[in-house]
Amino acid sequence: GAVVSQHPSWVICKSGTSVKIECRSLDFQATTMFWYRQFPKQSLMLMATSNEGSKATYEQGVEKDKFLINHASLTLSTLTVTSAHPEDSSFYICSASGQGKGEQYFGPGTRLTVT
Amino acid sequence: AQRVTQPEKLLSVFKGAPVELKCNYSYSGSPELFWYVQYSRQRLQLLLRHISRESIKGFTADLNKGETSFHLKKPFAQEEDSAMYYCALEYGNKLVFGAGTILRVKS
Repeated sequence: GAVVSQHPSWVICKSGTSVKIECRSLDFQATTMFWYRQFPKQSLMLMATSNEGSKATYEQGVEKDKFLINHASLTLSTLTVTSAHPEDSSFYICSASGQGKGEQYFGPGTRLTVT
Repeated sequence: AQRVTQPEKLLSVFKGAPVELKCNYSYSGSPELFWYVQYSRQRLQLLLRHISRESIKGFTADLNKGETSFHLKKPFAQEEDSAMYYCALEYGNKLVFGAGTILRVKS
């Protein structure tokens, strides 16, 4: 149980275009979803926290107009990278919680490459 | 500010040797700490949490508030333990991760 999926697993896009990444909780209702970014050989950095039906809370330094997060249902959150630039290339990971305090279930990640 | 420090980027041990992955934290409140593991080509998954005081796959971790540490230990390493290990601190409903330590168990 407690499986989180992400789609796509990897994406290549041109500079200036927007990319949407989906995060789904497959077998549980996720009251909260989290979006992380991971640079090569570095740790996960929390970008934002989203609760179903409300606006996401962004961490300091994360541009909310660039990284649009929508959490429209208890099983789906989306991250849209708008007007992507090469420096946005990274590994984006989502996680979801809803079963017990503190435990987050992680998706497999999405590799974004902006050319 | 909340911070998690894992001083070792890489820890290499022989099979059967004891393992200790270090984790220190900085947090003014009452900490809730976790160890997450990421095996090769797999997603991050919870290994253990301090409040449950359990042993998972032979690993244990004890919270030492005096030393602000939460080191992960296993008496006899196995090759399948090779992975990336992250120590994490929860505050509010968020997790702060350490930089991670790669554990390599050699045969």
